Amino acid sequence: GDSVTQMEGPVTLSEEAFLTINCTYTATGYPSLFWYVQYPGEGLQLLLKATKADDKGSNKGFEATYRKETTSFHLEKGSVQVSDSAVYFCALSPSGSARQLTFGSGTQLTVLP
Amino acid sequence: KAGVTQTPRYLIKTRGQQVTLSCSPISGHRSVSWYQQTPGQGLQFLFEYFSETQRNKGNFPGRFSGRQFSNSRSEMNVSTLELGDSALYLCASSFDSSYNEQFFGPGTRLTVL
Repeated sequence: GDSVTQMEGPVTLSEEAFLTINCTYTATGYPSLFWYVQYPGEGLQLLLKATKADDKGSNKGFEATYRKETTSFHLEKGSVQVSDSAVYFCALSPSGSARQLTFGSGTQLTVLP
Repeated sequence: KAGVTQTPRYLIKTRGQQVTLSCSPISGHRSVSWYQQTPGQGLQFLFEYFSETQRNKGNFPGRFSGRQFSNSRSEMNVSTLELGDSALYLCASSFDSSYNEQFFGPGTRLTVL
């Protein structure tokens, strides 16, 4: 079945540092890929998405590129802020549907001032 | 536009009891999905409802059930509660077309004693 493997955390960075969170997936066909963020005590918020190979999703300074050849969707941000501290989840949905998500295990990010 | 609302936010039950959780999707959204989040298993898909019909189901026992009403509001029910059912239950809604974002509610925290 489908699966998502995420870089294990926790990750601790200083403010303005570069962030990379690795994500690889296993799926048949052409899934859509997502990054979600969860702040303490809240539900999930969609951070960015990509629906086909070579698509780059971007939002709030975060970026991720859908790489079918390496089955990866790594999250990057050039300069993190304290407010970026949260748990980040990589997820996929099978071809043709956006409503059944398979999630990675999540990566806790803490940004220190 | 109001977001996805879930009630109650917190719930404490004892083993063997049953529980009903409620989710009100964003106005105009016709698809509602449910997820279970635990520290051990992470985020797992429970089921999806669309136009009062279960369209998709994850790998959970029959004790977990749900339904959707004509106004798209959804409920999920867990019967004969077990300690392992303690989790954050997240509801997500989307307007039904491929690749649309799922909007998550804040979740219901269920504790089984």
